[in-house]
Amino acid sequence: GQNIDQPTEMTATEGAIVQINCTYQTSGFNGLFWYQQHAGEAPTFLSYNVLDGLEEKGRFSSFLSRSKGYSYLLLKELQMKDSASYLCAVRDRGSARQLTFGSGTQLTVLP
Amino acid sequence: DAGVTQSPTHLIKTRGQQVTLRCSPKSGHDTVSWYQQALGQGPQFIFQYYEEEERQRGNFPDRFSGHQFPNYSSELNVNALLLGDSALYLCASSLLLAASNEQFFGPGTRLTVL
Repeated sequence: GQNIDQPTEMTATEGAIVQINCTYQTSGFNGLFWYQQHAGEAPTFLSYNVLDGLEEKGRFSSFLSRSKGYSYLLLKELQMKDSASYLCAVRDRGSARQLTFGSGTQLTVLP
Repeated sequence: DAGVTQSPTHLIKTRGQQVTLRCSPKSGHDTVSWYQQALGQGPQFIFQYYEEEERQRGNFPDRFSGHQFPNYSSELNVNALLLGDSALYLCASSLLLAASNEQFFGPGTRLTVL
């Protein structure tokens, strides 16, 4: 099975940088995803890591260390619209390669 | 290019009733996964359909069943509804053999059980 931990809430200021951590324990790892979810909306894909290291995509970067069972999502130059829940999800090696989600980190960006 | 669509948007039912939720995957996708998301929680995997068969199932009772049609669209059925079934039900589509197997989510169906 999978166990995923991420902070429940974080607060940051517009223009700042914030790092959202995710730790996981898994019986079979086949990739880690980060999704953004605004209230009342569907999750939208942000990033995917399957190898160790940093993946950068504009203002968003995601890091993975498989040996430590650890990932983080880095958001730079925060904007008010970045206020949302950020979901860490681990994909397993099963035939369905299903995603197991953490409970999400609610990020509030203050002016 | 239409994304993942779900219907209905909202639904109110009473305990003991049955409900059917529908999902059309993103164009070109062949796999549909269903998730239940309770308020303040992350989505929980219910099951996945590919080639009209259930490939894998999460920790949900048999009251939850599904179907996939030849056009890849899918239905989620829940029988004997309980208050605890109130949640956002998300459908996600993907292409099974794609390297990243990224899942695209639909807008969800908000089910309220009274």
